[in-house]
Amino acid sequence: NAGVTQTPKFQVLKTGQSMTLQCAQDMNHEYMSWYRQDPGMGLRLIHYSVGAGITDQGEVPNGYNVSRSTTEDFPLRLLSAAPSQTSVYFCASSYSIQGGKNTEAFFGQGTRLTVV
Amino acid sequence: AQSVTQLDSHVSVSEGTPVLLRCNYSSSYSPSLFWYVQHPNKGLQLLLKYTSAATLVKGINGFEAEFKKSETSFHLTKPSAHMSDAAEYFCVVSDRGGFKTIFGAGTRLFVKA
Repeated sequence: NAGVTQTPKFQVLKTGQSMTLQCAQDMNHEYMSWYRQDPGMGLRLIHYSVGAGITDQGEVPNGYNVSRSTTEDFPLRLLSAAPSQTSVYFCASSYSIQGGKNTEAFFGQGTRLTVV
Repeated sequence: AQSVTQLDSHVSVSEGTPVLLRCNYSSSYSPSLFWYVQHPNKGLQLLLKYTSAATLVKGINGFEAEFKKSETSFHLTKPSAHMSDAAEYFCVVSDRGGFKTIFGAGTRLFVKA
């Protein structure tokens, strides 16, 4: 059972570089999300998707793009990396249950990104 | 709009004493509520969840939480702390439809021998 897989686990970027953080889930979950975790701030929602072809912004979307061409994949793109984007990034998936409630989020192991 | 407030950024208890981590939420709809734990340099582990059944929810490792709609609270408790409970704990709210899942800022639990 792979669950939610994130790659890479670690990455160092130079300011201005671009890159894509990969996220894949094999549970056929409809909802997928990206969070960043910074000390003392918990996890903040960057972007989320409620299904293939549908994405929306979370709390801190600036500097990041997402797309959802398949149910399984939800990549996060950093267009021009900045030191303020140094963080740990988590991808998560979940699904809705009866009554419109949402299940718990299933998390990947995280990507530790450093921008120098 | 939904939001989560964890009332304490740090809590320190002695081993064997009770643990109380406080969480208040705001939600436009009947929410789902969760508690997660994160040990240092580790991923997130689900402790327990409330979706609409019993208001007293039991989780793993002896933790439990009570959903109190009138107080908009979902406090996490454990009768007796263990050294291995030292970690960061997150209260999480998810609105109907799961369009947005919002985390609290976290409470770091310290357990003294």
